[in-house]
Amino acid sequence: DGGITQSPKYLFRKEGQNVTLSCEQNLNHDAMYWYRQDPGQGLRLIYYSQIVNDFQKGDIAEGYSVSREKKESFPLTVTSAQKNPTAFYLCASSTRRNEQFFGPGTRLTVL
Amino acid sequence: DQQVKQNSPSLSVQEGRISILNCDYTNSMFDYFLWYKKYPAEGPTFLISISSIKDKNEDGRFTVFLNKSAKHLSLHIVPSQPGDSAVYFCAAVQTGTASKLTFGTGTRLQVTL
Repeated sequence: DGGITQSPKYLFRKEGQNVTLSCEQNLNHDAMYWYRQDPGQGLRLIYYSQIVNDFQKGDIAEGYSVSREKKESFPLTVTSAQKNPTAFYLCASSTRRNEQFFGPGTRLTVL
Repeated sequence: DQQVKQNSPSLSVQEGRISILNCDYTNSMFDYFLWYKKYPAEGPTFLISISSIKDKNEDGRFTVFLNKSAKHLSLHIVPSQPGDSAVYFCAAVQTGTASKLTFGTGTRLQVTL
């Protein structure tokens, strides 16, 4: 089945630790995106990548980093510099059209 | 600055009746609009979209209306079903900008029996 997978579904992190969230897609989409969702808020764009080895900051990139070494993969690292990392993180991908397809999400909790 | 607004955080509708979810935007450069449905702890799923060259798009029970002069769009669900209970997000994009979607804050729809 074609789709987007995110792992793990739940992640717990101690303060001061970096953590990496996985996102893989087999849809052959060029573009990939990372969003975070907080309670009562919409989805806010963290980073996006239109092509392998290229990525741009979104609206809330501070404290996050990404890489795009393969078309299928777009991991997100939440660093210790992110002041409020507890949130629901969503990865998406798209073709040249505007519709984005989302993964199931990872809920990150900082203890 | 919230460029896409969904001013109703929640909506309750009886099964079989019409659900109308509203969305307003401020950026006149947006030319493509989408609605997503989201269940708790899951990723959003695409529902329906509309280009700014149209004022209506229909897909089964779902119809999206666009009023460009008012910078307003709405999603109509007829008839509403209990399985429609979810959070609905509208999103807008200016085509040619790497498909960067701007999302509203969502409206929680509850369809009651």
